[in-house]
Amino acid sequence: EPEVTQTPSHQVTQMGQEVILRCVPISNHLYFYWYRQILGQKVEFLVSFYNNEISEKSEIFDDQFSVERPDGSNFTLKIRSTKLEDSAMYFCASDQGEWLYEQYFGPGTRLTVT
Amino acid sequence: GIQVEQSPPDLILQEGANSTLRCNFSDSVNNLQWFHQNPWGQLINLFYIPSGTKQNGRLSATTVATERYSLLYISSSQTTDSGVYFCAVESQTSGSRLTFGEGTQLTVNP
Repeated sequence: EPEVTQTPSHQVTQMGQEVILRCVPISNHLYFYWYRQILGQKVEFLVSFYNNEISEKSEIFDDQFSVERPDGSNFTLKIRSTKLEDSAMYFCASDQGEWLYEQYFGPGTRLTVT
Repeated sequence: GIQVEQSPPDLILQEGANSTLRCNFSDSVNNLQWFHQNPWGQLINLFYIPSGTKQNGRLSATTVATERYSLLYISSSQTTDSGVYFCAVESQTSGSRLTFGEGTQLTVNP
């Protein structure tokens, strides 16, 4: 069964460094998402992406964040200058359309900022 | 935005017991999904259930969209069922984002 994959599974970085989290969505899916979960809290939406542009973003997704689909398979989340409060689990998800479709989640990348 | 409330926040069971988890939401939805977060932090899709009833083994779910709630039933619970169960909804008025509830922490003791 097709699945969403994410790399790395765990990344440790120093405050102020740039990180890029990578995702490979399911191949015939059109919408891509990033969510994050701070330890012990609920999962929060960051951004959705369709047709090579951001379709929706949350208040969390400020200028420090950016997303890109650099080729036909990868979908990336970049954090330009990490802060301690960026430490979280980051999930990538994808689905086939804008509404009425199940979102499939990747296994997550645990980001630790020291 | 849409509000999602899950109850109970914590649930402790003995192995073999049955349980019902509830998800209430404040607006009409296009999509509702139930997830199980395992001890490694992965979100496992349990059900995609915007309306109606579905069953998968010992788990079943019912969504009554007109009354804005969904229920997840776990029968004959096992220790491997332990973890956090999340309900997530896609509002009809806020694009395709999923809004998650706070989750129910389930502990099944042997």
